[in-house]
Amino acid sequence: DQQVKQNSPSLSVQEGRISILNCDYTNSMFDYFLWYKKYPAEGPTFLISISSIKDKNEDGRFTVFLNKSAKHLSLHIVPSQPGDSAVYFCAAINSGGSNYKLTFGKGTLLTVNP
Amino acid sequence: EAGVVQSPRYKIIEKKQPVAFWCNPISGHNTLYWYRQNLGQGPELLIRYENEEAVDDSQLPKDRFSAERLKGVDSTLKIQPAELGDSAVYLCASSTYSGGREQFFGPGTRLTVL
Repeated sequence: DQQVKQNSPSLSVQEGRISILNCDYTNSMFDYFLWYKKYPAEGPTFLISISSIKDKNEDGRFTVFLNKSAKHLSLHIVPSQPGDSAVYFCAAINSGGSNYKLTFGKGTLLTVNP
Repeated sequence: EAGVVQSPRYKIIEKKQPVAFWCNPISGHNTLYWYRQNLGQGPELLIRYENEEAVDDSQLPKDRFSAERLKGVDSTLKIQPAELGDSAVYLCASSTYSGGREQFFGPGTRLTVL
């Protein structure tokens, strides 16, 4: 049973356009969400996060939106740049639990074309 | 500030052989995690340490996997004997404390079992 789902294995966008990566979750106990970016042969790098008490968090070109009622979050990248090409992982935490385990989705490969 | 260091970066062994991975977390981070990432999947937690204590090892296959974190700094993950299905990337991550929800990952060790 996959608790964090990224249903799009890949996404291709043109440089300068908006990239929208989606993530759905099933566990209503998740209350903190993170996006990680991963380049080949490197470990995941923390990108941006959002608490369940918010519906939006912005950091430069990156914005994460959270819709708790729909159990859905999305990462917007505007404008997209070729260097953004990477695998993006959505992850979730149940802060009320005792293990602070990150539960990851399978990732979405973003390709930004020049 | 140096990031999480892992070695080796790559390891190829034959099945039934032992293998060990080493991790040095970010200085001052007392929480250390070992994750396994199978091809096309997100990372999955194997074990979490608070200082030298393993506080969550529920996902660690204890018949063949073992881990230690002597002195609460470096950690070693061992597999003995390795099986074909153990081929994966083994990631180490650290955070400042259990409430530090942003985890910082090392580059990983890619294990291939032949």
